[in-house]
Amino acid sequence: SYVLTQPPSVSVAPGKTARITCGGNNIGGKSVHWYQQKPGQAPVLVIYYDSDRPSGIPERFSGSNSGNTATLTISRVEAGDEADYFCQVYDISDHPGVFGGGTKLTVL
Amino acid sequence: QVQLVESGGGLVKPGGSLRLSCAASGFTFSDYYMSWIRQAPGKGLEWVSYISSSGSTIYYADSVKGRFTISRDNAENSLYLQMNSLRAEDTAVYYCARQGSGSGYDLEYWGQGTLVTVSS
Repeated sequence: SYVLTQPPSVSVAPGKTARITCGGNNIGGKSVHWYQQKPGQAPVLVIYYDSDRPSGIPERFSGSNSGNTATLTISRVEAGDEADYFCQVYDISDHPGVFGGGTKLTVL
Repeated sequence: QVQLVESGGGLVKPGGSLRLSCAASGFTFSDYYMSWIRQAPGKGLEWVSYISSSGSTIYYADSVKGRFTISRDNAENSLYLQMNSLRAEDTAVYYCARQGSGSGYDLEYWGQGTLVTVSS
């Protein structure tokens, strides 16, 4: 089955830019969604179809997807962005979807 | 606003059964595919099952096939997960989620989850 690889942790200072990657074979040819999960809370969709942002999600959150890597970028990081972030891929061969192992974002 | 509220979790012995429910509000329930996603303590996310808007299409993860049954009642705006022959490895928080309108299986809204603990 399809495997998604995320770094276990990413650390960033407030006000800087955080980049969280999601690696997979030819992931650029698939649709990627990103979820934010704060401790004790349910996941929240923050990016869908590679780079679309649901209503209510700040413009600081953006996504890209090409080749073997999809990236979630969080600009001007705030303390409130500290959370686990999961990528999810949909492809007809991996129906209905595969989740990455998650990345813990720490705001220093 | 969209609300999904799960219930029915609890402590059950191996081999036992539980029925989870998800009450939906704030949207036309019968228009959307719905899913159950689970998360074992300290672990990642696993797609357990989904059901199409009419109930005619159903998916189960291999890990639960033959033991779990998903269903929905569009008149009652409710989603269910009947879990039989429970195992220790089924211990997790179970989330009800609404899928997006497109074909990309994004999970647009999630409930707060209900904890299922399988232990003797």
